[in-house]
Amino acid sequence: GAVVSQHPSWVICKSGTSVKIECRSLDFQATTMFWYRQFPKQSLMLMATSNEGSKATYEQGVEKDKFLINHASLTLSTLTVTSAHPEDSSFYICSAPLNEKLFFGSGTQLSVL
Amino acid sequence: TQLLEQSPQFLSIQEGENLTVYCNSSSVFSSLQWYRQEPGEGPVLLVTVVTGGEVKKLKRLTFQFGDARKDSSLHITAAQPGDTGLYLCAGAGRGSTLGRLYFGRGTQLTVWP
Repeated sequence: GAVVSQHPSWVICKSGTSVKIECRSLDFQATTMFWYRQFPKQSLMLMATSNEGSKATYEQGVEKDKFLINHASLTLSTLTVTSAHPEDSSFYICSAPLNEKLFFGSGTQLSVL
Repeated sequence: TQLLEQSPQFLSIQEGENLTVYCNSSSVFSSLQWYRQEPGEGPVLLVTVVTGGEVKKLKRLTFQFGDARKDSSLHITAAQPGDTGLYLCAGAGRGSTLGRLYFGRGTQLTVWP
């Protein structure tokens, strides 16, 4: 099946710093990608829809200025958590659709100290 | 408020036993998907059910979509240690794009040899 690569797998950072997470579709093009957040023992919650060549669409309650999304090419979307704080610590997952199916990245565990 | 309620949250059984996982909601979904997620990995799609009352089989796994398209169940026959993992149900609302899914919290299944 299709492969979505997410990097890094885990990151530890200091409070106040910014962290960039990359999501790549390896063998197909994705004009749309999705970013989710998963807290321990909670559901995956959709944060935003990343659109190639245009602005991302954010879900209600998700701060646009805090979670910057860039989809500069048909195979790459990035999520930057700006001025990260401990409450931003979570598991972040991206996905990309292909042929009416969603393929997920392996996730990024972010820990903010 | 959790849109999709999954039960049980945890399930620990012996190899060879049968089990059923439930996914319930008060909302109607245009489709419902079941995923399996391994630790440190993204979810992998198992099946999509679309029609009320639909039953789909995937080897020892049987998926059913409720007649009213508000609930679903996953039944595993003769469970094996390889079935161990987190099982997630996800529903798509009417008119939703593919990635705009509402996820349940998941059922963590452990099958002991």
